[in-house]
Amino acid sequence: AQSVSQHNHHVILSEAASLELGCNYSYGGTVNLFWYVQYPGQHLQLLLKYFSGDPLVKGIKGFEAEFIKSKFSFNLRKPSVQWSDTAEYFCAVNARNQGGKLIFGQGTELSVKP
Amino acid sequence: EAGVAQSPRYKIIEKRQSVAFWCNPISGHATLYWYQQILGQGPKLLIQFQNNGVVDDSQLPKDRFSAERLKGVDSTLKIQPAKLEDSAVYLCASSPDRGETEAFFGQGTRLTVV
Repeated sequence: AQSVSQHNHHVILSEAASLELGCNYSYGGTVNLFWYVQYPGQHLQLLLKYFSGDPLVKGIKGFEAEFIKSKFSFNLRKPSVQWSDTAEYFCAVNARNQGGKLIFGQGTELSVKP
Repeated sequence: EAGVAQSPRYKIIEKRQSVAFWCNPISGHATLYWYQQILGQGPKLLIQFQNNGVVDDSQLPKDRFSAERLKGVDSTLKIQPAKLEDSAVYLCASSPDRGETEAFFGQGTRLTVV
């Protein structure tokens, strides 16, 4: 069965610090990969996605993620966080050609101190 | 473009009562999902519709949960009777098609069973 593991439950950073959130998945076939963000009081929004091609993908608000197939990883990065990045971040995968069902990690809560 | 609409936003019921949630997906989106998000966990798929047909309901507790998507547009999710462990946020999402597209999420309905 597919599963997604996010390494950190809660991360606290100061503004301008660099961010890396880990995500590993378990699935033997081809996958699509996503990072979703949920700002306080808002709905889940897509931050970035990887379907194929360049394994380094850039998303909104300066976020990027790198797909490393050999490590089954899709880590999220941002060189300098802002207070407005305070949110919960979810990594998700779906199996290619199997209908779009998303398997989510448990989420990482990011708190950025001004 | 209007997003995914859900109602109500909040609901408190006693155990053994019934409850229903409503979702209106983005216009033209063929695929509709219902996810359950328990506090501290990532969303988990309950049921997936393609137009008005069920694609995946393997994780739906069918003894108490039911869902329908009449005419391939709006959808309702019902719980009868509710249990304490059903307390969660119920998220509706839609996508243009299955697979290689992102899902767009609604604000969710927060259910508390007391």
